[in-house]
Amino acid sequence: DAGITQSPRHKVTETGTPVTLRCHQTENHRYMYWYRQDPGHGLRLIHYSYGVKDTDKGEVSDGYSVSRSKTEDFLLTLESATSSQTSVYFCAISSGRGGDTQYFGPGTRLTVL
Amino acid sequence: QQQVKQSPQSLIVQKGGISIINCAYENTAFDYFPWYQQFPGKGPALLIAIRPDVSEKKEGRFTISFNKSAKQFSLHIMDSQPGDSATYFCAASGEGTGGGADGLTFGKGTHLIIQP
Repeated sequence: DAGITQSPRHKVTETGTPVTLRCHQTENHRYMYWYRQDPGHGLRLIHYSYGVKDTDKGEVSDGYSVSRSKTEDFLLTLESATSSQTSVYFCAISSGRGGDTQYFGPGTRLTVL
Repeated sequence: QQQVKQSPQSLIVQKGGISIINCAYENTAFDYFPWYQQFPGKGPALLIAIRPDVSEKKEGRFTISFNKSAKQFSLHIMDSQPGDSATYFCAASGEGTGGGADGLTFGKGTHLIIQP
């Protein structure tokens, strides 16, 4: 998985609670991405980062925030989890933008009850 | 708005046959078209990718065919094997696409089963 770890790998939480997912890379890649994967929807971009403290919104960013204080770590926070955020979350990294290969982590399965 | 449409949703092919998955895109700003393979419980892994300056790219048993005028591209898996059974996603990216974030825009996926 190209030196990418995600934690936790599985999480069950209740509606209204805050949740933070962590992505850690050892590749020193500049770009990091958060996607969610849902049946029938493929993968959809939530947020991405193009450097330390530099982030931007993706297609489905509502209800999510991100932070990147170090090159190797990219955090995804659900401020107040809802059942519609039950999904599998994937982190990806890339050395360049757009047409450079994105390498995906193993994923975090989040269930919001 | 689905910018990358993928078909079929599921596909069953006999061992040794050719698997064909098709994708169509709308945004002419896309300039990079990768295919990803995903096994259950794993993250997607890049299989093969193409840019619009070529019409075909081959890597082993996997070939991408690209038709710029029709805004379509397809994945062909020759001599399909049971180990190829997985979900396949086409994707596209380009400057200013992906919700303005240069991320990948994915198709909805094709569940491929290769029967022995």
